Amino acid sequence: EIVLTQSPGTLSLSPGERATLSCRASQSVSSSYLAWYQQKPGQAPRLLIYGASSRATGIPDRFSGSGSGTDFTLTISRLEPEDFAVYYCQQYGSSPYTFGQGTKLETK
Amino acid sequence: QVQLQESGPGLVKPSQTLSLTCTVSGGSISSGSYYWTWIRQPAGKGLEWIGRLYTSGSTNYNPSLRSRVTISVDTSKSQFSLKLTSVTAADTAVYYCAAGVYPFPLSEYWGQGTLVTVSS
Repeated sequence: EIVLTQSPGTLSLSPGERATLSCRASQSVSSSYLAWYQQKPGQAPRLLIYGASSRATGIPDRFSGSGSGTDFTLTISRLEPEDFAVYYCQQYGSSPYTFGQGTKLETK
Repeated sequence: QVQLQESGPGLVKPSQTLSLTCTVSGGSISSGSYYWTWIRQPAGKGLEWIGRLYTSGSTNYNPSLRSRVTISVDTSKSQFSLKLTSVTAADTAVYYCAAGVYPFPLSEYWGQGTLVTVSS
């Protein structure tokens, strides 16, 4: 099974700043089948990015994804107050389709 | 726009079977256009992928749960279900059903989640 390790565990930033979240896989993720989700307290996760770099429907363009192989990044170019949440990466190229442990993005 | 709604008992006794149903609306469960997935999340922890089903009947399960889990579909009711046998307190979690557009087994659509507590 592919293990995904996200870093940092917690990221403290202010609105307007740039956020960079990392997801590293224990082995290569086939076809860049890597997704990013955002989860706010008491809510289901929301798909942000799929295929490592494609934004899901309705996702603002301040969210961008990049990477391939074993190293992937989610970037939020300019943080809005509603962006403070927990972010998960998931690989869906090889079953079981594992998640990372999450990065909490909190207000500084 | 696919909409999903979980239902089932919120409390299950240890050693018994957890059974949940996900009702699908806004998309045909039998069209072959979607993967149907169950994911869980213990309180304060991360997401765990349980397994997924394709309408053809093919399934994939998390090896850590494979011996105890079954995901099945009832196309006549537009529902798919999760059964997890021999539950323990470690199975206490919010359970989500989710769906992704074929051929990508990611989770584009999510239910709101349902809390299942395993306790006597």
